[in-house]
Amino acid sequence: GAVVSQHPSWVICKSGTSVKIECRSLDFQATTMFWYRQFPKQSLMLMATSNEGSKATYEQGVEKDKFLINHASLTLSTLTVTSAHPEDSSFYICSARDPPGGSGELFFGEGSRLTVL
Amino acid sequence: GNSVTQMEGPVTLSEEAFLTINCTYTATGYPSLFWYVQYPGEGLQLLLKATKADDKGSNKGFEATYRKETTSFHLEKGSVQVSDSAVYFCALSGSSGANNLFFGTGTRLTVIP
Repeated sequence: GAVVSQHPSWVICKSGTSVKIECRSLDFQATTMFWYRQFPKQSLMLMATSNEGSKATYEQGVEKDKFLINHASLTLSTLTVTSAHPEDSSFYICSARDPPGGSGELFFGEGSRLTVL
Repeated sequence: GNSVTQMEGPVTLSEEAFLTINCTYTATGYPSLFWYVQYPGEGLQLLLKATKADDKGSNKGFEATYRKETTSFHLEKGSVQVSDSAVYFCALSGSSGANNLFFGTGTRLTVIP
């Protein structure tokens, strides 16, 4: 199947700094990518839908100014956690949909664990 | 609203044991149901799915039946292997389509030789 890769897989940062997480579709072009967050012992929650060449669509309750999403190319979406605080520590996962003509299946990255000190 | 509740785990089984991971859901409309698996160091992968009541999804020896009457989609495998050790997520797609998946918390399975 298609491959989606995230980088970094693990990041530790100081409170107040910004962290960028990359999500790449390695062998297909993805016009739409999705960002999820998972807190310990809780469900994955959809944060936003990233659309290539346009603004991301955020789910209710997600701060768009804190979680900046950029989908500048058909193979790369980035999530930047700005002015990170300890409560932003979480597991962030991206996914990309197989483009039209394909299976329509969602392919997921391996996740990025953010720890804010 | 939509939500998924699954067995919390972790679950530890001996090789060749029978596996059941419970999953129940709450949904409006007629959702599709999924099981995803995440092996160590890899992304979530679709394991199986069912799109309507009484459908049975199956893959790699795993099965799950969409039970509307009990709002359940339990994952089963008759004989687990060490290579099945992973985290398993139950999920449903809302009425707006599979763009918005609602996940359970995930269940970590460890199979020991």
